[in-house]
Amino acid sequence: EPEVTQTPSHQVTQMGQEVILRCVPISNHLYFYWYRQILGQKVEFLVSFYNNEISEKSEIFDDQFSVERPDGSNFTLKIRSTKLEDSAMYFCASTDQTGYAGELFFGEGSRLTVL
Amino acid sequence: DAKTTQPPSMDCAEGRAANLPCNHSTISGNEYVYWYRQIHSQGPQYIIHGLKNNETNEMASLIITEDRKSSTLILPHATLRDTAVYYCIVRVPGYNDMRFGAGTRLTVKP
Repeated sequence: EPEVTQTPSHQVTQMGQEVILRCVPISNHLYFYWYRQILGQKVEFLVSFYNNEISEKSEIFDDQFSVERPDGSNFTLKIRSTKLEDSAMYFCASTDQTGYAGELFFGEGSRLTVL
Repeated sequence: DAKTTQPPSMDCAEGRAANLPCNHSTISGNEYVYWYRQIHSQGPQYIIHGLKNNETNEMASLIITEDRKSSTLILPHATLRDTAVYYCIVRVPGYNDMRFGAGTRLTVKP
């Protein structure tokens, strides 16, 4: 069964460093998402992406965050200058059916630890 | 911005049906009800969705009240592997995005 894959599974970085989290969505999907989950808290929506542009973003997704689909397969989340509070699990998701069901398929996540 | 209300936790005996309630009294006519679950810290997993009719798939059944103000997710024969946080979400597909609340932590006990 096709699945969303994310790399790295765990990244440790120093505060102030740039981080890029990568996702390979399911191949025929057109809509892509990033979510994050701080330890012990709920899953929070960050951003949705369609047709090479952001379609919606939350208040969390400020100027230090950016997303890109550089090569037609990967979907990346960049955090420009990491802060301690960026430590979280980051989940990528994709779907091809927003017009009807819009079931999202999630990856297993990338754990980011900022020291 | 919670549009749904779920109990924070529930227990269920292994092999018995788990019935997870969700209130969505302000649901609008074009909003669907979705259920997802998250096992430990894994990515959320889609379970089922519906608009107004009851739905069943290989994982669960979804019962939506006639006024659509509440729904119940039923896991017919809960196993230990069903221990997870279950999320009830309402949204309009293609219009707004999937937003997760706190969910219900279901613990299946032997």
